[in-house]
Amino acid sequence: AQKITQTQPGMFVQEKEAVTLDCTYDTSDPSYGLFWYKQPSSGEMIFLIYQGSYDQQNATEGRYSLNFQKARKSANLVISASQLGDSAMYFCAMRESKAAGNKLTFGGGTRVLVKP
Amino acid sequence: EPEVTQTPSHQVTQMGQEVILRCVPISNHLYFYWYRQILGQKVEFLVSFYNNEISEKSEIFDDQFSVERPDGSNFTLKIRSTKLEDSAMYFCASSRRTGMVAEAFFGQGTRLTVV
Repeated sequence: AQKITQTQPGMFVQEKEAVTLDCTYDTSDPSYGLFWYKQPSSGEMIFLIYQGSYDQQNATEGRYSLNFQKARKSANLVISASQLGDSAMYFCAMRESKAAGNKLTFGGGTRVLVKP
Repeated sequence: EPEVTQTPSHQVTQMGQEVILRCVPISNHLYFYWYRQILGQKVEFLVSFYNNEISEKSEIFDDQFSVERPDGSNFTLKIRSTKLEDSAMYFCASSRRTGMVAEAFFGQGTRLTVV
């Protein structure tokens, strides 16, 4: 079974509007962390936001927020007030406490294209 | 702002040749990783490295792969005899700490093309 599932391969969003990127995960580990990374066309992976499984509040970082629904095992990324520079691939990733070596498991990504 | 630096940005190599991908992690980071991304596919974990030894490796990381921290600043990934299916973007990453909240900072990647 896939550990991280991103069901939206691609999506368009109008500049200045908000967009929600879906991420569901599968783990039996009670302690885990969820990460979102941005990959622009230049290829680098940029860390955006983190949510821990025991965090009581949804994480926020500037225009990024994470809609964490633990019972549903979902950790959707919300980008508010989209900008043209937000056009990129977005990856959801998970780290499980039982996973040795701090490794991250990534989803397949969602490509976002912001339209002017 | 400190960053992870990878060289070269693009490498083309003949099948069967050895290739070394180089990375300079962020200077006060202690945990180092290699990931790869085959074109159009998801990012996959290869190996993690701490205290001069491998702490975890995936099934992809077979005997053809090795990692080294030769001089306290560089972190290298060697592929001994490249295969066509090794063509991918290879990302180096580092983190300052361990644990659940330890975000990994990635380099810009090396695109390896095996011909």
